[in-house]
Amino acid sequence: KQEVTQIPAALSVPEGENLVLNCSFTDSAIYNLQWFRQDPGKGLTSLLLIQSSQREQTSGRLNASLDKSSGRSTLYIAASQPGDSATYLCAVNSGYSTLTFGKGTMLLVSP
Amino acid sequence: ETGVTQSPTHLIKTRGQQVTLRCSSQSGHNTVSWYQQALGQGPQFIFQYYREEENGRGNFPPRFSGLQFPNYSSELNVNALELDDSALYLCASSLEAGELDTQYFGPGTRLTVL
Repeated sequence: KQEVTQIPAALSVPEGENLVLNCSFTDSAIYNLQWFRQDPGKGLTSLLLIQSSQREQTSGRLNASLDKSSGRSTLYIAASQPGDSATYLCAVNSGYSTLTFGKGTMLLVSP
Repeated sequence: ETGVTQSPTHLIKTRGQQVTLRCSSQSGHNTVSWYQQALGQGPQFIFQYYREEENGRGNFPPRFSGLQFPNYSSELNVNALELDDSALYLCASSLEAGELDTQYFGPGTRLTVL
């Protein structure tokens, strides 16, 4: 059974800092990994999707890497802003486009 | 904007009642998946429908059931509601049910069971 763990559970940083969120998964037989953002009480916004054959994906200030063999992914956020405050969820697709999610990292960026 | 919509936004029910949640997928998307997200947890997969047939199910009891219609709408039905059913319910649609298909999530329905 696939299990996804995210560390840290919560993170508080001052504006402008670069930060790294971590995600690990127990079964390396995945098709892709996706990072989502969730604002309080809201749905999910897809940030980055990395296919199993890829090593990383970039979008603006976000960079996600994938090491499938070791079961790890990181989401790097450069020059953090207060608007980045949200919960970040990592999810792996192990088949049939069903996703297994971690519990998320709650990020607070203070001005 | 993903094009996936859900209704209602919020819902309050009492224990033992039945509830129906609705989702409208993006046009042309043949697959819809439903997830339950309890407070402080990641979403948990409930089930998936592909072309109106159930195509996979997570670890949820039979009182969670669903329907998918030809017009790209779908329903999640929950019978005999329990307090632990209080959660955000998310639906997600994708073109097909293949491994590389991206899922697009709706805004969710917040269900409170009293």
